[in-house]
Amino acid sequence: NAGVTQTPKFQVLKTGQSMTLQCAQDMNHNSMYWYRQDPGMGLRLIYYSASEGTTDKGEVPNGYNVSRLNKREFSLRLESAAPSQTSVYFCASRTDRAQGQPQHFGDGTRLSIL
Amino acid sequence: AQTVTQSQPEMSVQEAETVTLSCTYDTSENNYYLFWYKQPPSRQMILVIRQEAYKQQNATENRFSVNFQKAAKSFSLKISDSQLGDTAMYFCAFMKRDLSGNTPLVFGKGTRLSVIA
Repeated sequence: NAGVTQTPKFQVLKTGQSMTLQCAQDMNHNSMYWYRQDPGMGLRLIYYSASEGTTDKGEVPNGYNVSRLNKREFSLRLESAAPSQTSVYFCASRTDRAQGQPQHFGDGTRLSIL
Repeated sequence: AQTVTQSQPEMSVQEAETVTLSCTYDTSENNYYLFWYKQPPSRQMILVIRQEAYKQQNATENRFSVNFQKAAKSFSLKISDSQLGDTAMYFCAFMKRDLSGNTPLVFGKGTRLSVIA
């Protein structure tokens, strides 16, 4: 049972390059999320998607775009990478069939922008 | 907007001892859920424990238990009989309850716990 799968696990980019982080879940969850984790900042929400075809901004959406391609996949795109986007990115998903269910996380992508 | 505060950036505990990690939150909601997640050096985010705000009974999971004080908006995590494998970053998180069922988590900044042999 794979759960939430993120690719790639590591990536180094140059300033100005573009990049898409992929996320897929096999748990038939409706809700999916993208967070970034920076030292001393915890996890901060970038975007989330309540269902296929819908997306909403989180706390730190600037510089990012997302696509909910289908129920399984939710990608995060950096159109023009900046050093401030160096971070660890986590994708998560959750069922909405019952209230208060925890989010399931992928293993993260460490992204460095030079 | 909700905020979650973890006032202890780092803590350490001797193996087999008990340690308590603090978490406070600010919200005007009455119905919500609280979580503790563990992040070991492998970077995985692992659910430790979950608490429903409308339940007064404190949640427990083996060596992990919480002290939930709704009026004080406090949600501390107690780890008993600490083990070396408990060494990790611990995050407290808040999620409000709504009909959509898809509200995001709001995280604290984390507490880095080191268990010393």
